[in-house]
Amino acid sequence: EVQLLESGGGLVQPGGSLRLSCAASGFTFSSSAMIWVRRAPGKGLEWVSGISGSGSTYYADSVKGRFTISRDTSKNTLYLQMNTLRVDDTALYYCAKDASLTPYESSGYYYYWGQGTLVTVSS
Amino acid sequence: EIVLTQSPGTLSLSPGERATLSCRASQSVSSRFLAWYQQRPGQAPRLLIYGASGRATGIPDRFSGSGSGTDFTLTISRLEPEDFAVYFCQQYGRSSITFGQGTRLEI
Repeated sequence: EVQLLESGGGLVQPGGSLRLSCAASGFTFSSSAMIWVRRAPGKGLEWVSGISGSGSTYYADSVKGRFTISRDTSKNTLYLQMNTLRVDDTALYYCAKDASLTPYESSGYYYYWGQGTLVTVSS
Repeated sequence: EIVLTQSPGTLSLSPGERATLSCRASQSVSSRFLAWYQQRPGQAPRLLIYGASGRATGIPDRFSGSGSGTDFTLTISRLEPEDFAVYFCQQYGRSSITFGQGTRLEI
């Protein structure tokens, strides 16, 4: 059974840093594409960052240069390092797994999602 | 970047009625990479439709997707009480993903 469990959220001041984790199980993590998506209060879903099965990384313009996605395949864990946080980064952050069952392939849609971790940026 | 615009912003209907939700792209999107999600309060997004018209595993057949190019539609044939939620379309590009702003389906 595929499971994704996010952690690391919390309250941080503007300009601060936070690292989110997404512990994965039930699938071959090392060759799976993964993404981070957030939903700010009263807003819609926003794609934040993605990593392909081969390890290529991608970022939304709103976080480029401030956030870094990475993974530790020995720990089956996805990370999102968030620096220079702003008030408008406040959101519930989800990790999700690409639905493709083929190693290193991306289907472009996401069947498996974690329950999210809340990030609040406020002074 | 491809922008997805969903309409209406809010749709007010009753159980048993038919719901039609629209998603319009700022440029042509491959149908293969167009998906729809449902999000209920306090829950993670749930994949409903992939490839514009394929139903995800476990999704009831009252949900259907259609469209191509820049215009896509999610139809719920007969609304059940649990269908009242927010719906998002999503497209996948070579190096980015975008979501529509959402349609709130309310009783």
